[in-house]
Amino acid sequence: SAVISQKPSRDICQRGTSLTIQCQVDSQVTMMFWYRQQPGQSLTLIATANQGSEATYESGFVIDKFPISRPNLTFSTLTVSNMSPEDSSIYLCSAEEGARYGYTFGSGTRLTVV
Amino acid sequence: DAKTTQPPSMDCAEGRAANLPCNHSTISGNEYVYWYRQIHSQGPQYIIHGLKNNETNEMASLIITEDRKSSTLILPHATLRDTAVYYCIVIGGKLIFGQGTELSVKP
Repeated sequence: SAVISQKPSRDICQRGTSLTIQCQVDSQVTMMFWYRQQPGQSLTLIATANQGSEATYESGFVIDKFPISRPNLTFSTLTVSNMSPEDSSIYLCSAEEGARYGYTFGSGTRLTVV
Repeated sequence: DAKTTQPPSMDCAEGRAANLPCNHSTISGNEYVYWYRQIHSQGPQYIIHGLKNNETNEMASLIITEDRKSSTLILPHATLRDTAVYYCIVIGGKLIFGQGTELSVKP
């Protein structure tokens, strides 16, 4: 199955700043996804990112706060904008690999906003 | 996407089979059942998936009832490294996580 490299693995950021998280897949995939996992909670889907179109956001998430790029079939970025301590979470990207392998995940970015 | 219901936690003795149940009574005909697990501080790991037939791979077996309203993930010989949160997910297009089952494998 595909391997996803996600970086940074962790960061500590000042409130009011922005952080861009990168996700690189070692094969071409059609659909990529971004998730947030708050401490002690399950994963929450932020948005779906398809190459060549705007990302589709889930309820409660907006493009101004979480802009996403998907320039090609192997790469995507998520930016967490104007951060506050409430944005402290693990952010994960995922790629759909079809029926055989399902969905593969990166190792996550642990973000702490101070 | 159909909703799933799982027990919040389970214990299992090391070396014994771990049977994790999942209810998905609103599943529709073209939706797959996927199982993932998340070991602390890591990204979710794919385990197995199925549509209506039972499936087996090197990690686990998946038993889906004939009416497809429930399924069971079986880890045949649980080890301490199988301690994790296990998620049962019904997928029609995107992966939506519920709260999962926290499995603790004890010596």
